Amino acid sequence: AQSVTQLDSQVPVFEEAPVELRCNYSSSVSVYLFWYVQYPNQGLQLLLKYLSGSTLVKGINGFEAEFNKSQTSFHLRKPSVHISDTAEYFCAVSDFGTSGSRLTFGEGTQLTVNP
Amino acid sequence: DADVTQTPRNRITKTGKRIMLECSQTKGHDRMYWYRQDPGLGLRLIYYSFDVKDINKGEISDGYSVSRQAQAKFSLSLESAIPNQTALYFCATSDSTPNTEAFFGQGTRLTVV
Repeated sequence: AQSVTQLDSQVPVFEEAPVELRCNYSSSVSVYLFWYVQYPNQGLQLLLKYLSGSTLVKGINGFEAEFNKSQTSFHLRKPSVHISDTAEYFCAVSDFGTSGSRLTFGEGTQLTVNP
Repeated sequence: DADVTQTPRNRITKTGKRIMLECSQTKGHDRMYWYRQDPGLGLRLIYYSFDVKDINKGEISDGYSVSRQAQAKFSLSLESAIPNQTALYFCATSDSTPNTEAFFGQGTRLTVV
């Protein structure tokens, strides 16, 4: 079994400030890791994913995440946020087995960027 | 047109009624999923299907059923709706490689009164 914990339910920041959204996971097997974003009244859109290789992963809209196996974390970062980054962000894991893209999601983090 | 289309987008129904949510996709993917989103709980898997003849329960399947009518169509039914099934429902698709991303529909907001 696997689980995901997003450590902050809400993160308010000012425009142009840096932001980090924290995600920890638990799994007995190796996993693939994902960050999805949900803009108001929309479905989920993939921001980035970690499959293997370099632990620093770059995604769309200037976001990046770092996989830390020893700490079982996959935190999302952006050096300078914009108003348009206001959205809910979900961390998710998928194992290497037959579950394919059967994702286990975290609780979500609402990022609010204020002017 | 969207790759993954859900109908209806919004629905209000009464307790005890049967309701069906529909999902169709044009991505040619074999795998389809139904998730439920509740505030503070993230998304939880209800059912998933790896091909037309393969249907599997997810972590919260009680009170729900599904039908995979074709590769491109996967519907979710609430046999007798209850208020705690009020939620945002998402359909998703993916291909058969384990590291692929899932593509989500726009969601169906269901309210059971």
